[in-house]
Amino acid sequence: NAGVTQTPKFQVLKTGQSMTLQCAQDMNHEYMSWYRQDPGMGLRLIHYSVGAGITDQGEVPNGYNVSRSTTEDFPLRLLSAAPSQTSVYFCASSPRTGNYGYTFGSGTRLTVV
Amino acid sequence: QQQVKQSPQSLIVQKGGISIINCAYENTAFDYFPWYQQFPGKGPALLIAIRPDVSEKKEGRFTISFNKSAKQFSLHIMDSQPGDSATYFCAASRPNAGKSTFGDGTTLTVKP
Repeated sequence: NAGVTQTPKFQVLKTGQSMTLQCAQDMNHEYMSWYRQDPGMGLRLIHYSVGAGITDQGEVPNGYNVSRSTTEDFPLRLLSAAPSQTSVYFCASSPRTGNYGYTFGSGTRLTVV
Repeated sequence: QQQVKQSPQSLIVQKGGISIINCAYENTAFDYFPWYQQFPGKGPALLIAIRPDVSEKKEGRFTISFNKSAKQFSLHIMDSQPGDSATYFCAASRPNAGKSTFGDGTTLTVKP
C-alpha cells in the first residue's frame, strides 16, 4: 500500500518555465489537496478537490492549475514559474467520511531560479 | 482571517518533561481536530485526532484535551523524548468541506 506518491522529489526550474507536479493515491480517498510549506508560514492550501471532476481554490491559488480526472490522480501545474514559487509542495488525501485526517505525500522541493 | 491559532511557535522541553501545545479555533462548524507531526525533510503525519463529543483522547504518551465551550484544544506529550523533536501542527475540519485549516506549527525541541 503506497499511500500518497509525489513526483519528482526535487526540481529546479528557470523563471518562466512550466511544469507539473504529480500526485497519486491508492487509498480510494475522495478528497485531495495541495499545500505549500514555506519557512515560518506553516501549510498554505493551494487547491483542493472533493472528487473526480471537482476542484476548488484554496488560499494561495494564483499561478497554479489543477485537474482531477480520476479519483487517484491530482496533478498540480505551474503555468509560468516565478522565484516566489520556490517552496516545498505537499499533496494530501483523506476519506470523505469517518476519521478524515490527511495522509500526506513526502513532498516536492521546488527551486525557481 | 486565521481560523486556527496555534501557540507557542517554538518550545524547548527537557527529556522526561511534559510538552503542551495549544490551539484555538473560531468556526463552531468544525467537527474533527487532528494533530500532525512532521520531521525535517518529511511530510506531516497524522498523530492523533479528536471529535468535539469527547473532552480527552489518549494514545500512548500523546493526549488531546478538548474544551468545546472555550473553542480550544491542546496536545500534551508526556515523558517527552528527544525523538519527539519535530514540528507539530493542529488542524480543524468541518463535514464535507474537503479541506482542513491548519495552525502555523510549533517546533518542539526535547533536550537530552
